[in-house]
Amino acid sequence: NAGVTQTPKFQVLKTGQSMTLQCAQDMNHEYMSWYRQDPGMGLRLIHYSVGAGITDQGEVPNGYNVSRSTTEDFPLRLLSAAPSQTSVYFCASSYSLGEYEQYFGPGTRLTVT
Amino acid sequence: GENVEQHPSTLSVQEGDSAVIKCTYSDSASNYFPWYKQELGKRPQLIIDIRSNVGEKKDQRIAVTLNKTAKHFSLHITETQPEDSAVYFCAAFYTNAGKSTFGDGTTLTVKP
Repeated sequence: NAGVTQTPKFQVLKTGQSMTLQCAQDMNHEYMSWYRQDPGMGLRLIHYSVGAGITDQGEVPNGYNVSRSTTEDFPLRLLSAAPSQTSVYFCASSYSLGEYEQYFGPGTRLTVT
Repeated sequence: GENVEQHPSTLSVQEGDSAVIKCTYSDSASNYFPWYKQELGKRPQLIIDIRSNVGEKKDQRIAVTLNKTAKHFSLHITETQPEDSAVYFCAAFYTNAGKSTFGDGTTLTVKP
């Protein structure tokens, strides 16, 4: 198993550009989530999904969209990048939240200039 | 929403000593409390977790305690080793709603 994979590892965007961060897992996990981690802070939940076709907002959803058309993939879209979105983004998945471990991807370091 | 406070923000101990990190949460609906270790530039990794129906859990040198009434939980690391040096995060999950809130982290340094 590859576990949770994320692409790209690094990305630089200009203000106003849009892009999609990719996340995939091959463990047949139902629950997937996106977090952002700013320097010196913990992870903050952006969006999450409890299964294909079902998504919901987390703590900091503004400026981001998600969709979950398959169990494996959970892409995060930045609609119009802003410097405040400079952060490290982690995708995570779990077979069942709270019952089984949540596994994190390696992260994407995004810089918006 | 949920608020998680984590203390201390930095902790320095001598090798072999114990380390304790404490977290408080605000939402009584939270029912799952994991602890993660994150090394510089790496992803968070689960080291131990506890569910709301359990008061204490131990795994070798690591233990977690939960006081639901006071809404606080703690990580205890005994016989610390230099490789325990990392940032440790607590989190409170409300699993029925898929929500999670993390503390701001504790940087643990174990001096040889």
